[in-house]
Amino acid sequence: AQKITQTQPGMFVQEKEAVTLDCTYDTSDQSYGLFWYKQPSSGEMIFLIYQGSYDEQNATEGRYSLNFQKARKSANLVISASQLGDSAMYFCAMRVMDSSYKLIFGSGTRLLVRP
Amino acid sequence: DTGVSQDPRHKITKRGQNVTFRCDPISEHNRLYWYRQTLGQGPEFLTYFQNEAQLEKSRLLSDRFSAERPKGSFSTLEIQRTEQGDSAMYLCASSLAGTDPGRTSGANVLTFGAGSRLTVL
Repeated sequence: AQKITQTQPGMFVQEKEAVTLDCTYDTSDQSYGLFWYKQPSSGEMIFLIYQGSYDEQNATEGRYSLNFQKARKSANLVISASQLGDSAMYFCAMRVMDSSYKLIFGSGTRLLVRP
Repeated sequence: DTGVSQDPRHKITKRGQNVTFRCDPISEHNRLYWYRQTLGQGPEFLTYFQNEAQLEKSRLLSDRFSAERPKGSFSTLEIQRTEQGDSAMYLCASSLAGTDPGRTSGANVLTFGAGSRLTVL
């Protein structure tokens, strides 16, 4: 069965510094996709970044990058130059490789950016 | 297109009452998903539609829950005889049908709405 594990319930980071949010996953599929979403207090899940299992390069989107280590089954999110607006819940998710293509989510990490 | 819309954003009801949530997906998306999120947890899958067909239901979706997507456009999620344990955020998401997820071109990102928060007293 597929599973996503996020072991950091909460993290602090100083404004303008970089922070890494951890995510490990478990799957027996060869083809899979990993997502990171941000959920501010308003509740909406905002897509940040995606990594396909066959992609050879780590995904990057602006200040977000995904440190993909396939052998270790980890997909950590790196946020560079943290901003106060980055304070939110962050969820790692994996696409299920059946016809539903639904996502399964980890339990999330709450990030607080200090001024 | 303004994204995925959900209504109402907040609902407070008494135990035993029925409630209905509505989701309007992105118009060109043929897939629609419902998730439930309780406090401090990640979203959990409830059900999904491709066009008007409901193709999968989670075991979390008891017989008090029913979802529809008439004509493959908006969707409704109804909870009958609500219980305090139903208190949660109900999230709707839409996407195009999936392709090979192993590459960036197969992302088919799920776009979420802002959710409907249910409180059962």
